[in-house]
Amino acid sequence: EVQLVESGGGLVQPGGSLTLSCAASGFTFSLHWMTWVRQAPGKGLEWVAQIKPDGSASSYVDSVKGRFTISRDNARNSLYLQMNSLRAEDMAVYHCARFGTATHMDVWGKGTTVTVSS
Amino acid sequence: QSALTQPPSASGSAGQSVTISCTGTSSDVGAYDYVSWYQLHPGKAPKLMIYDVSKRPSGVPDRFSGSKSGNTASLTVSGLQADDEADYYCGSYAGSNNPRWMFGGGTKLTVL
Repeated sequence: EVQLVESGGGLVQPGGSLTLSCAASGFTFSLHWMTWVRQAPGKGLEWVAQIKPDGSASSYVDSVKGRFTISRDNARNSLYLQMNSLRAEDMAVYHCARFGTATHMDVWGKGTTVTVSS
Repeated sequence: QSALTQPPSASGSAGQSVTISCTGTSSDVGAYDYVSWYQLHPGKAPKLMIYDVSKRPSGVPDRFSGSKSGNTASLTVSGLQADDEADYYCGSYAGSNNPRWMFGGGTKLTVL
């Protein structure tokens, strides 16, 4: 079964750091672009970052540039999101997702919740 | 860039059809045939329902269909069933702009 399972969410103070993980199974992880998409409470989905299959290139939404880093370990079938200098507006459920082709995200995880509060 | 525009809610009786719109701009929805639709049930992983405007992934019933005209894409659900009740989000590639991918604000579909 193709599956993505996120972990690492939790409560963090403003300015703090957190690293999210996404464990992939059931497919050849190293062949796919991967992405993080978040949903803030009461809001819509927001694309956060994406990374090339070999990890050599990545891109970010402007609001997280310089604060978040997406990475992957193809040997461990894992995707990561290192989040620094967290702000209240980063509070959301973070989903990892697989790009089926370059045009859409075809497999998603249930998400992990990040709460930013003092 | 603002999110794609969707109506906050839509409803229909079981067996009827409902259409959800998704309006973007000439830089995203209007520029590329890369519109996709996602179904979100509370507590479950989002599910891809339509990609590339009108293609259905394996396993998605043909009651779900997609289309696009200009800067507006649409998802039509025919023969509404109770399990179709969920939040639906459209998404579109936005090219080299930032963000690269745009999503709508979501539409809560209620099956009466």
